[in-house]
Amino acid sequence: EADIYQTPRYLVIGTGKKITLECSQTMGHDKMYWYQQDPGMELHLIHYSYGVNSTEKGDLSSESTVSRIRTEHFPLTLESARPSHTSQYLCASSETGVVTEAFFGQGTRLTVV
Amino acid sequence: GESVGLHLPTLSVQEGDNSIINCAYSNSASDYFIWYKQESGKGPQFIIDIRSNMDKRQGQRVTVLLNKTVKHLSLQIAATQPGDSAVYFCAENMKDSSYKLIFGSGTRLLVRP
Repeated sequence: EADIYQTPRYLVIGTGKKITLECSQTMGHDKMYWYQQDPGMELHLIHYSYGVNSTEKGDLSSESTVSRIRTEHFPLTLESARPSHTSQYLCASSETGVVTEAFFGQGTRLTVV
Repeated sequence: GESVGLHLPTLSVQEGDNSIINCAYSNSASDYFIWYKQESGKGPQFIIDIRSNMDKRQGQRVTVLLNKTVKHLSLQIAATQPGDSAVYFCAENMKDSSYKLIFGSGTRLLVRP
């Protein structure tokens, strides 16, 4: 079983609130990812990181921001949540290199009311 | 929130039959591909991978076929079981400045008892 953890699993929050979704991995992986997935839909890459102090935007535009101050930690922040942010957010990590699978957390299901 | 992307197609098979799930990838420069299985309420889990210098790879009850000419990937599941019911995604390790894992459209597999 992969050692990557996301908290919280479920979050219901009011419009305008600031929230941070946590993601931690204990595998020492340099690469980490955030994906957004609506129920029954595709996964879309919104942020990724190659290592400490490295972050890039993914293919799907997102109003969220990320930081990578420590190898094991890759939090995602929404400064002002809106109903359009309601979705599932999946964090993943992998080793550096071409032939490396990504390990996923259980996801955070966010509902903004 | 507003959904982004396409609803997933569904493949329904009888228990014991073989399943074939197809995927088209986007970047001819990608050189590593992975199939993931996602069960309800969970993050994706690795099933099998293949490098671009191969056209076939077999695992336990699963086979992945790669056709680079038409940028097509398929997953074959032998003797499909009820526990195989899930959503299946292909992913490519896409090279731009480095490598990032991009998911293709998924397929929902339903196994009829």
